Amino acid sequence: AQTVTQSQPEMSVQEAETVTLSCTYDTSESDYYLFWYKQPPSRQMILVIRQEAYKQQNATENRFSVNFQKAAKSFSLKISDSQLGDAAMYFCAYSPPRGGTSYGKLTFGQGTILTVHP
Amino acid sequence: GAVVSQHPSRVICKSGTSVKIECRSLDFQATTMFWYRQFPKQSLMLMATSNEGSKATYEQGVEKDKFLINHASLTLSTLTVTSAHPEDSSFYICSARRRSGELFFGEGSRLTVL
Repeated sequence: AQTVTQSQPEMSVQEAETVTLSCTYDTSESDYYLFWYKQPPSRQMILVIRQEAYKQQNATENRFSVNFQKAAKSFSLKISDSQLGDAAMYFCAYSPPRGGTSYGKLTFGQGTILTVHP
Repeated sequence: GAVVSQHPSRVICKSGTSVKIECRSLDFQATTMFWYRQFPKQSLMLMATSNEGSKATYEQGVEKDKFLINHASLTLSTLTVTSAHPEDSSFYICSARRRSGELFFGEGSRLTVL
């Protein structure tokens, strides 16, 4: 079974600074997807970024980027130029590969609460 | 863009009653939907996978007779909490998988059992 671990229950950052959220996972599969989701107080899950394990290039979405280390099974999220609206709970998640019936069956980490100070 | 709607967003019921939560994909066909449960300040735990036209697949430890899932059409899956008890109070979230593979989450439903 796959497991996802986020070892930082809470993190804080000053507005305009950079913060990195950690995530490690365990799987015996070679192909899979990894995600970072943001959950603001509204509880709506918002996709931040997605990475396919077969792609060596780290995914980037504007101010958000990941450091994907497949051998180390590490998938950290870097938020640059932090904004007040970035404050939320962030979840790292694992999915079986696309093309299979289980794609989208997500295993989530424990979450990291991010506070952004003005 | 694609939207997944959950209804009701909040529901309060008495212990022993049953509650139905709907997850609807508004502008796409969802062959598969997933149901998650989230306790306050905790992570999302997968409860079951719902496939249109077939029986749901439940995760280990989830009582299928208590949490009835029906996926009667390509746009609607329902979760019925039967004989609800206070310990069933939680936030229930669905996600829908589009044929292309994209995933979309509903807004969630907060269940409070008195």
